[in-house]
Amino acid sequence: DTEVTQTPKHLVMGMTNKKSLKCEQHMGHRAMYWYKQKAKKPPELMFVYSYEKLSINESVPSRFSPECPNSSLLNLHLHALQPEDSALYLCASSQAPTRGEKLFFGSGTQLSVL
Amino acid sequence: EDQVTQSPEALRLQEGESSSLNCSYTVSGLRGLFWYRQDPGKGPEFLFTLYSAGEEKEKERLKATLTKKESFLHITAPKPEDSATYLCAVEMDTGRRALTFGSGTRLQVQP
Repeated sequence: DTEVTQTPKHLVMGMTNKKSLKCEQHMGHRAMYWYKQKAKKPPELMFVYSYEKLSINESVPSRFSPECPNSSLLNLHLHALQPEDSALYLCASSQAPTRGEKLFFGSGTQLSVL
Repeated sequence: EDQVTQSPEALRLQEGESSSLNCSYTVSGLRGLFWYRQDPGKGPEFLFTLYSAGEEKEKERLKATLTKKESFLHITAPKPEDSATYLCAVEMDTGRRALTFGSGTRLQVQP
């Protein structure tokens, strides 16, 4: 199994809603990532979890709250989002947070905030 | 400031017409340079990792090369299924494990 699975594939939410994005991998990877990608732009790093601990937070607003319940799962909790937060949210994993480890990306969650 | 710049922004080729995509970087210590392919509405798919100047990697019609300032992705005799956005990303030797992506080259191969 060399897949990173993200659910849901599409999400529409209002600015007062609370929702969660989920990511799962069963490759034994110990580093997991959240990226945000706007249309026709490159992915931008949001968070990195290394051995289930948050190691990088790219000054992301607190309305985005990551969680890593175990080594296979990564969640992104969303609350009080703004329309400009509409984007493709990508989860990725790598074997370990060391030099040159390639990232495996999921297909993403396309989020629309109304 | 560390930067990754890709050119051209968009490229249209006829099937069989070979070409090259460029990724130039100005980073303080390169740990690795990565090429990814991304189809619309999908996550990036890993293609290659290059670590040091002079290194080359090949996969089917694609060949990636690396110098001290830039990387090229050469596409030989492309097919319509090669149409995608090609992303270059760098990992810097700062102890911080994260990739910085370029803006990508949108490639369209016409039959």
